[in-house]
Amino acid sequence: ETGVTQSPTHLIKTRGQQVTLRCSSQSGHNTVSWYQQALGQGPQFIFQYYREEENGRGNFPPRFSGLQFPNYSSELNVNALELDDSALYLCAIGQGSGYTFGSGTRLTVV
Amino acid sequence: QQQVKQSPQSLIVQKGGISIINCAYENTAFDYFPWYQQFPGKGPALLIAIRPDVSEKKEGRFTISFNKSAKQFSLHIMDSQPGDSATYFCAASWENQAGTALIFGKGTTLSVSS
Repeated sequence: ETGVTQSPTHLIKTRGQQVTLRCSSQSGHNTVSWYQQALGQGPQFIFQYYREEENGRGNFPPRFSGLQFPNYSSELNVNALELDDSALYLCAIGQGSGYTFGSGTRLTVV
Repeated sequence: QQQVKQSPQSLIVQKGGISIINCAYENTAFDYFPWYQQFPGKGPALLIAIRPDVSEKKEGRFTISFNKSAKQFSLHIMDSQPGDSATYFCAASWENQAGTALIFGKGTTLSVSS
């Protein structure tokens, strides 16, 4: 519906494992951002990529990393998963008034 | 200075009533104030947005009121309908500054009873 596709929609990981989440858009926009939304909270900015380079980062540790590919799809990687990493992870394309969010990936860390 | 404070946390309104959600911000450098609507299992979707050079913006049943001196803005939903039941987030940002984020409030869960 939104033109932003995230995969997988749900997954369960064990503490200490690593996870990769993916995002793509029909429009192939050159700016992509990732947000973490804990249960009952507003989304929190993780980082933003513009033309394959990270150009902004929120208050998240280095074990949260990302990539943007030449086709402008993107990945969010989280190493050494902690229980508190359980959340909805949202990808958004565009910036400012042009933000469009995907439906997110629900990550559960057990 | 980066916070956006939103209230109430939850709201129950009868069908046809007015829903009002309030937000306050601290950083006067913000220049873009959107409201997002989120349904369960979906990402946030832009509902309406305002810039600080205007005091009010209306789109259909949704109105943003903006008070720059008080650093507050609010969302009014007129003639609230059961389909409006969702979580609403206010946010603030710097619209044209690369690499910057939307700063979200904690959200308001609206339930419209029929």
